[in-house]
Amino acid sequence: KNEVEQSPQNLTAQEGEFITINCSYSVGISALHWLQQHPGGGIVSLFMLSSGKKKHGRLIATINIQEKHSSLHITASHPRDSAVYICAPGSNYKLTFGKGTLLTVNP
Amino acid sequence: GAVVSQHPSWVICKSGTSVKIECRSLDFQATTMFWYRQFPKQSLMLMATSNEGSKATYEQGVEKDKFLINHASLTLSTLTVTSAHPEDSSFYICSARDTENTEAFFGQGTRLTVV
Repeated sequence: KNEVEQSPQNLTAQEGEFITINCSYSVGISALHWLQQHPGGGIVSLFMLSSGKKKHGRLIATINIQEKHSSLHITASHPRDSAVYICAPGSNYKLTFGKGTLLTVNP
Repeated sequence: GAVVSQHPSWVICKSGTSVKIECRSLDFQATTMFWYRQFPKQSLMLMATSNEGSKATYEQGVEKDKFLINHASLTLSTLTVTSAHPEDSSFYICSARDTENTEAFFGQGTRLTVV
């Protein structure tokens, strides 16, 4: 069993839809990152959270430490949100990466 | 947010040659940098942890003599792929942690193709 499981693996949405990507993990963590990887490969860190909920623009990330589960939500999705979203829990900054969720938002 | 610059963004080299990849923190001091590798349709995998002024810590299965890491200053770490082979073709990416917090800052990545 993988240490980090993301679902769904692939997600296609219409512009404007509300998106949820889930992440379950079995590793011990001090913080969990949500990352965005565009087709060219570059990675951007969206959130780092260790409890509760964070919001940045149309993006919301939540984490439940007891249940070892985190979710990333995108409100009013847009084609420019199309990318791979990666969940990465970590301890002492050593991250374990999920395989990612490929999101495609169609206009 | 802070900026990590990785260079080159892509490189093609011949089998048997060596390739150096640079990772620079542009506006903060990075006591620790991390090097990852990503094969197509696979997760990022940590190769090694680089601490300024000391030897890198390699993950199990990563050959330290093949993947030379140097972190000579608080703003620069380099990864040298020595005697490259086609199976070393991959996407290599670095990240840096500053001295103030544990936020992750990633470089743009380097796509290495060995022919």
